[in-house]
Amino acid sequence: EAGVVQSPRYKIIEKKQPVAFWCNPISGHNTLYWYLQNLGQGPELLIRYENEEAVDDSQLPKDRFSAERLKGVDSTLKIQPAELGDSAVYLCASSPRHGTGKIEEDTQYFGPGTRLTVL
Amino acid sequence: GQNIDQPTEMTATEGAIVQINCTYQTSGFNGLFWYQQHAGEAPTFLSYNVLDGLEEKGRFSSFLSRSKGYSYLLLKELQMKDSASYLCAVRAHNQGGKLIFGQGTELSVKP
Repeated sequence: EAGVVQSPRYKIIEKKQPVAFWCNPISGHNTLYWYLQNLGQGPELLIRYENEEAVDDSQLPKDRFSAERLKGVDSTLKIQPAELGDSAVYLCASSPRHGTGKIEEDTQYFGPGTRLTVL
Repeated sequence: GQNIDQPTEMTATEGAIVQINCTYQTSGFNGLFWYQQHAGEAPTFLSYNVLDGLEEKGRFSSFLSRSKGYSYLLLKELQMKDSASYLCAVRAHNQGGKLIFGQGTELSVKP
């Protein structure tokens, strides 16, 4: 079974440019997460989707970040315009469900991430 | 809010045993996860504890004490490939069930 797929793996852009990241979750997983991970830190949640609905976007900087999950499968995270401080790894994860308390449903599986460098 | 603490880095010898500690402060605790992350790769799930006690899975074991807000990950018979960052993550009811990650412990296994 394929894992979580993300592209691109690496992206270098100049500040003020737009950038987009794509994620394809594990087949059948209803819940999709976008995380930001700075060097030497743990991942921080940006947004969580249940199917096509964004149910937790409290940590998403909405002035420049946007996300969508059309048809409740693939998802795209966009930054426009990018700033120097946005340089980080953007991780996508998926799980069958969320918050059920059952390990087989709640475990999050991560993709390899997109390493963004803003110059 | 929530606070999760784990050592920044540790060093151990191949074949030895190492214990990575994680302390947390949270309300509405609903589970603790350990993930392994090799440099430049995705975090991979290692273990999950929601009740007090020890969960053993091969060379890896994880322990939880909810009353003390404390967990540890025990790695036995260390191998060079175990060199990685180990992330402790706590889930809480009052945070919508989302995972709050610690900064990670960078483990270096030496020959």
